Amino acid sequence: DAAVTQKPRYLIKMKGQEAEMKCIPEKGHTAVFWYQQKQSKELKFLIYFQNQQPLDQIDMVKERFSAVCPSSSLCSLGIRTCEAEDSALYLCSSSQSEGSQNTLYFGAGTRLSVL
Amino acid sequence: GDSVTQKQGQVTLSEDDFLFINCTYSTTTYPTLFWYVQYPGQGPQLLLKVTTANNKGISRGFEATYDKGTTSFHLQKASVQESDSAVYFCALTGNTRKLIFGLGTTLQVQP
Repeated sequence: DAAVTQKPRYLIKMKGQEAEMKCIPEKGHTAVFWYQQKQSKELKFLIYFQNQQPLDQIDMVKERFSAVCPSSSLCSLGIRTCEAEDSALYLCSSSQSEGSQNTLYFGAGTRLSVL
Repeated sequence: GDSVTQKQGQVTLSEDDFLFINCTYSTTTYPTLFWYVQYPGQGPQLLLKVTTANNKGISRGFEATYDKGTTSFHLQKASVQESDSAVYFCALTGNTRKLIFGLGTTLQVQP
């Protein structure tokens, strides 16, 4: 079974603070995706890395987030200045290669609460 | 752009009932279609996947057929159990590498 690890599981920040969450992709996977999920429903794509390089991201990430994959075994997603609307479950996923048919394997997520 | 539509936000059934969750998609290419299931406190996990039109994906009693004519990928199960209670997401990869999800359908199965 695939195992994507995310830390921490829970994160509480005050409005205006910085937040950082980490992801360890499944070993051997070269593609990493981050999604945001609010109220246990819609999964919103945030950013995609292939071989540690960001290839696609939404405007919100460009403007307020910082995301890097310094190695094939560690990625991180940061929010420079937290806002209430950032409260959500942040899900990291990885897949084996670049093909569109490859399955994404998800971690359990980091639940961020912004007070 | 690519999109997935799930019209049913919530489905409530009794054990042994038949399950049908509607999913339609839109893309200008040949998609790979997925159903993911998410249990409380967990990330989504793959339930089934189909890459070729008119093919059927089957897993754990669930099945879905890739219908290119109606651009649908409905999920069915003949007899649901309480343990099937979860959120089900239809998804596709099409013109881009990223997985596009529907809004999800919450299935509640009563004993």
